[in-house]
Amino acid sequence: GIQVEQSPPDLILQEGANSTLRCNFSDSVNNLQWFHQNPWGQLINLFYIPSGTKQNGRLSATTVATERYSLLYISSSQTTDSGVYFCAVNYGGSQGNLIFGKGTKLSVKP
Amino acid sequence: KAGVTQTPRYLIKTRGQQVTLSCSPISGHRSVSWYQQTPGQGLQFLFEYFSETQRNKGNFPGRFSGRQFSNSRSEMNVSTLELGDSALYLCASSLSGTGHGYTFGSGTRLTVV
Repeated sequence: GIQVEQSPPDLILQEGANSTLRCNFSDSVNNLQWFHQNPWGQLINLFYIPSGTKQNGRLSATTVATERYSLLYISSSQTTDSGVYFCAVNYGGSQGNLIFGKGTKLSVKP
Repeated sequence: KAGVTQTPRYLIKTRGQQVTLSCSPISGHRSVSWYQQTPGQGLQFLFEYFSETQRNKGNFPGRFSGRQFSNSRSEMNVSTLELGDSALYLCASSLSGTGHGYTFGSGTRLTVV
């Protein structure tokens, strides 16, 4: 089956710093999403981005489908950005089955 | 517009009991999928329902089952609970399940003692 790898597994930043999180996937996908899991466990949808680039405030994401990777950029990080960031993909025929990476745990220190 | 609603938020059950969790999707969304999250295994897909039909199923034992009603609300049931079933159970809704994004609920944290 399709493999999803995220890097780095852990990241510690000082407030105000920028960061880039990476997601590699092993096969063609028709859906790629980035989620932020808050300390209470809820998965917050950040981007639905099977290809191209999107921006939302301090966050932006780029997916290069032909090279099978996606990047999540966080600029001017804040303590509220702390949590685990997941990349998840869905491929043809696998309705509802999002394959998740293991996540990047981000800690932003004041 | 209301998000995905999961009830209950927390649950404590005893080994051998059964449990039913509920998920109400976003209005108009017809696909509901369920996931189990544990520290060791991460997020794993349980099953997906679309228009009351199970379209896809993950690799879980038959003790895990689900259903979807005509209003798209979904329930999942776990029978004969084991300690290893302790987890965060998340449901997600989507317009069609393919080619559209998924929105997750807040989850139900199940503890089996």
